[in-house]
Amino acid sequence: SQQGEEDPQALSIQEGENATMNCSYKTSINNLQWYRQNSGRGLVHLILIRSNEREKHSGRLRVTLDTSKKSSSLLITASRAADTASYFCATDAVDSGGSNYKLTFGKGTLLTVNP
Amino acid sequence: DTEVTQTPKHLVMGMTNKKSLKCEQHMGHRAMYWYKQKAKKPPELMFVYSYEKLSINESVPSRFSPECPNSSLLNLHLHALQPEDSALYLCASSQDYLGLYGYTFGSGTRLTVV
Repeated sequence: SQQGEEDPQALSIQEGENATMNCSYKTSINNLQWYRQNSGRGLVHLILIRSNEREKHSGRLRVTLDTSKKSSSLLITASRAADTASYFCATDAVDSGGSNYKLTFGKGTLLTVNP
Repeated sequence: DTEVTQTPKHLVMGMTNKKSLKCEQHMGHRAMYWYKQKAKKPPELMFVYSYEKLSINESVPSRFSPECPNSSLLNLHLHALQPEDSALYLCASSQDYLGLYGYTFGSGTRLTVV
């Protein structure tokens, strides 16, 4: 079963606007990661936030993590047409057997940035 | 070298064929992964290799057979696939099975089973 659920499923904005995507998950995690995927291509790792961190920045990206609410958000500031892609959150957590770590993806948000 | 290289990029195979997907990394990563992604869906984990040993098999049908010949290579052998197995197959690697520094993904193999 999927660990993460992104919200919204699709988001359309104008260039220059900010885009916010949210992710909720169900179990305790080791860390949470955000990935970008351009249509039909490989995944690009954007940012990783550990379970003991609350906020992290990387360029135009800002990620927050609230472990008490089991949720995270990704903010992309001053968006560009090139940011158009699907964005996935992924949680790294011990599996149900308790001995292996697994990276499990949410359903993703399709972001469209209109020029 | 900071990449995961997957070959081929595209593959069309019949249901009676045997083919293999190949994944290679030279970052010294000791964990490697196979994911399957259907259109408009998130990637789903298939297999995890840690220090060249299979550590996770997500109940994948035996028509998919992974192999890790050495720490840099990961193969996925395909035999008697079904049309519903058509998907993007992604390979990934991480420094170790803990994934503490994130994962590096390849660009995938687009598989079509006819």
